[in-house]
Amino acid sequence: SQQGEEDPQALSIQEGENATMNCSYKTSINNLQWYRQNSGRGLVHLILIRSNEREKHSGRLRVTLDTSKKSSSLLITASRAADTASYFCATDEYGNKLVFGAGTILRVKS
Amino acid sequence: EAQVTQNPRYLITVTGKKLTVTCSQNMNHEYMSWYRQDPGLGLRQIYYSMNVEVTDKGDVPEGYKVSRKEKRNFPLILESPSPNQTSLYFCASSLSQGQGWSPLHFGNGTRLTVT
Repeated sequence: SQQGEEDPQALSIQEGENATMNCSYKTSINNLQWYRQNSGRGLVHLILIRSNEREKHSGRLRVTLDTSKKSSSLLITASRAADTASYFCATDEYGNKLVFGAGTILRVKS
Repeated sequence: EAQVTQNPRYLITVTGKKLTVTCSQNMNHEYMSWYRQDPGLGLRQIYYSMNVEVTDKGDVPEGYKVSRKEKRNFPLILESPSPNQTSLYFCASSLSQGQGWSPLHFGNGTRLTVT
């Protein structure tokens, strides 16, 4: 299966702490996207970063992209219990489809 | 409200009994896709459609069929379901890509159990 790699696989933090998740991919991309999935529900788009962008913010989310290292990170600041979910990166590196990583399971303890 | 609607939400069936999972979107999106999600395997693409009457195989198409007769609908058909098709299925849609992909909109999923 053509999937990007995310790490860590699982992350457990206290409410108020920051959470950082990483995503790596294999070839060149036009953009990279991050999605959130609450347990058993559909994925929800969070943020899209284009290959010519290095950093993007949306509320408490900060995404960086390093095309030289073929990697991206998602930072959630001041985490809340409601941020507990799985987080996936997706890239368009294989043409006519978005390829999803295996995801990071984030648990925020209150 | 812009949305992707899948039905049914839960489905339990027996081996070999044909079934259809419906997917409809109201955003006039050209692109639609089906994924299955299994523990430890992440999201895998089954089939996708770039527009009406245009469909193509994803990574795991065996045992599935799709059709795209209208822009809004993209049903997933299992002609003869088997237990290894027990999974959580998602339909998704997006605008046709310009430079790179537009965000995907996902349905709420269909949890299928084949006994």
